[in-house]
Amino acid sequence: AQTVTQSQPEMSVQEAETVTLSCTYDTSESDYYLFWYKQPPSRQMILVIRQEAYKQQNATENRFSVNFQKAAKSFSLKISDSQLGDAAMYFCAYSSNTDKLIFGTGTRLQVFP
Amino acid sequence: KAGVTQTPRYLIKTRGQQVTLSCSPISGHRSVSWYQQTPGQGLQFLFEYFSETQRNKGNFPGRFSGRQFSNSRSEMNVSTLELGDSALYLCASSLDTGVVGRFGPGTRLTVL
Repeated sequence: AQTVTQSQPEMSVQEAETVTLSCTYDTSESDYYLFWYKQPPSRQMILVIRQEAYKQQNATENRFSVNFQKAAKSFSLKISDSQLGDAAMYFCAYSSNTDKLIFGTGTRLQVFP
Repeated sequence: KAGVTQTPRYLIKTRGQQVTLSCSPISGHRSVSWYQQTPGQGLQFLFEYFSETQRNKGNFPGRFSGRQFSNSRSEMNVSTLELGDSALYLCASSLDTGVVGRFGPGTRLTVL
């Protein structure tokens, strides 16, 4: 069975600094997708970034980028130039070409001014 | 483009009752999936529907059921509610299966 592990329950960062959130996963599939979702206190889950496993190039969305290490089954999220609005729960998720997402337990990110 | 709509946003029920939650996907989206979020169990997959067919089902008891209509709107039903069913129920819609899209704001269910 596929699993997703986020080993950092909480992280904090100062405004304008960079922070990296860790995620590891386990799967025997070769074709899959990985995601980072953000859930602010308002609860609405927002897709931050998506990576297809067959693509070697790391995905980037503005200040958000990933370090995808397929052999190591690692998928970390880097947030550059952190902003107060980045404070939220961040969930790493896995999907094997279906809409069934397997989520990690989440990392609560605090951003300090 | 309007987002995913979930109704109601909040619901309070008592043990033994049943409840129906609704999810309207983004226009044109044919795939709807449901998730349960609790502090103890985290986010867990319930069902996935595509063109009125259930394509995937999570590891939940038979008290949890769902369906999708021809207009892609989806409902999930929980019968014989238990205290442990108190959770945030999230719905997500996507254009096609395998391309997970947008989440709705969720329905907060409280079982007393």
